[in-house]
Amino acid sequence: EIVMTQSPATLSVSPGERVTLSCRASQSIGSNLGWYQQTPGQAPRLLIHDASTRATGLPDRFSGSGFGTEFTLTISSLQSADSAVYYCQQYNHWPYTFGQGTKLEIQ
Amino acid sequence: QVQLVQSGPEVKKPGASVKVSCKASGYTFTNYNINWVRQAPGQGPEWMGWIFTYNGQTNYAQKFQGRVTMTTDTSANTAYMELLSLKSDDTAVYYCARDDHPLPAHWGQGTLVTVSS
Repeated sequence: EIVMTQSPATLSVSPGERVTLSCRASQSIGSNLGWYQQTPGQAPRLLIHDASTRATGLPDRFSGSGFGTEFTLTISSLQSADSAVYYCQQYNHWPYTFGQGTKLEIQ
Repeated sequence: QVQLVQSGPEVKKPGASVKVSCKASGYTFTNYNINWVRQAPGQGPEWMGWIFTYNGQTNYAQKFQGRVTMTTDTSANTAYMELLSLKSDDTAVYYCARDDHPLPAHWGQGTLVTVSS
């Protein structure tokens, strides 16, 4: 099973800033990587698939990059609504696996 | 619009089973597979498996093999996930999610299953 490791566990930033979240896979997954945003009591919301393709309707403040084992999610011009837990997930090998998440707090 | 509406919360005793439903609307049910994902309190999500809605073929994560059954009723546009022999660490929110190639963009609201004696 592929282990997904996210860093940092928690991040606190100010509105308007830019932030980069990291995700590492225990073995190569090509570009088969997705990012989700989850707020309390809600289902995960798909942000990015194929490492860098934004989901329909997602503003271009969100961008993903990476290949193989190292991936990043960058969010620019942070807004209070971006406060959430962000998960990466690989779908190159079954079973698909998620990271433990990065909690993003907007001060 | 696409909607996935799940059944309500459940409280079960260890050793019991639970069956969660997921009713789809707003699209042709058999054109998209349904995934099941669960999330224990304070943990990341965990992919359980999926079902091909057009023929009922399933693919389960090995962790759940022998304990999970995913089915559909195409006449009711509904998918089901049954988990047997419940343990306390099965306490989680269970989600159904439509396979939007390559990943699910539409999710149910989640069903909390609590396993407690």
